[in-house]
Amino acid sequence: DAGVIQSPRHEVTEMGQEVTLRCKPISGHNSLFWYRQTMMRGLELLIYFNNNVPIDDSGMPEDRFSAKMPNASFSTLKIQPSEPRDSAVYFCASSRNRQGNTEAFFGQGTRLTVV
Amino acid sequence: DAKTTQPNSMESNEEEPVHLPCNHSTISGTDYIHWYRQLPSQGPEYVIHGLTSNVNNRMASLAIAEDRKSSTLILHRATLRDAAVYYCILMGGGADGLTFGKGTHLIIQP
Repeated sequence: DAGVIQSPRHEVTEMGQEVTLRCKPISGHNSLFWYRQTMMRGLELLIYFNNNVPIDDSGMPEDRFSAKMPNASFSTLKIQPSEPRDSAVYFCASSRNRQGNTEAFFGQGTRLTVV
Repeated sequence: DAKTTQPNSMESNEEEPVHLPCNHSTISGTDYIHWYRQLPSQGPEYVIHGLTSNVNNRMASLAIAEDRKSSTLILHRATLRDAAVYYCILMGGGADGLTFGKGTHLIIQP
């Protein structure tokens, strides 16, 4: 398996534009996590899905952020409209399930810069 | 609320063992103890996890206290490539996701 695949790897956009980040989890994994990482706040869990259903989105910072998982092999994180303070590295991770006895695998991340 | 407590940073010499501590005094009976690490400019990487017994794998060992309120990640022979931020995380089967704290920044001196 190629692991968790995120696209794009880098995104530069202007303030006010819509940004869509994509994630393909490992085949057979039922849990998917979205994170944001900045120097100031570290790794923040934004939302996670189990069997394509959002379980906890309490980490989503504002209504400008939305996430979907239309099927088991694809998820998106959308920011509309984007702001400079959204600049960060966004990671997606997947695991076999959300039980504690399975490990999570992370993608390489998307570095987002909003100017 | 932080579920785990780790030192902000630790320093060790190359080819020596490293013991990274983690306190988790509020751990519940169903929580597994996970360790991940993040190398510079990369995503977090799974290291090891356990429930009650000590665990070993090719990367590291995990020593869990008898009361499970603390654990120690052991790198048996550190290399420069082990320089990373190491995160100790509790993961159960409930609604909680995989939540990261600030971790320990491990510095390896040649």
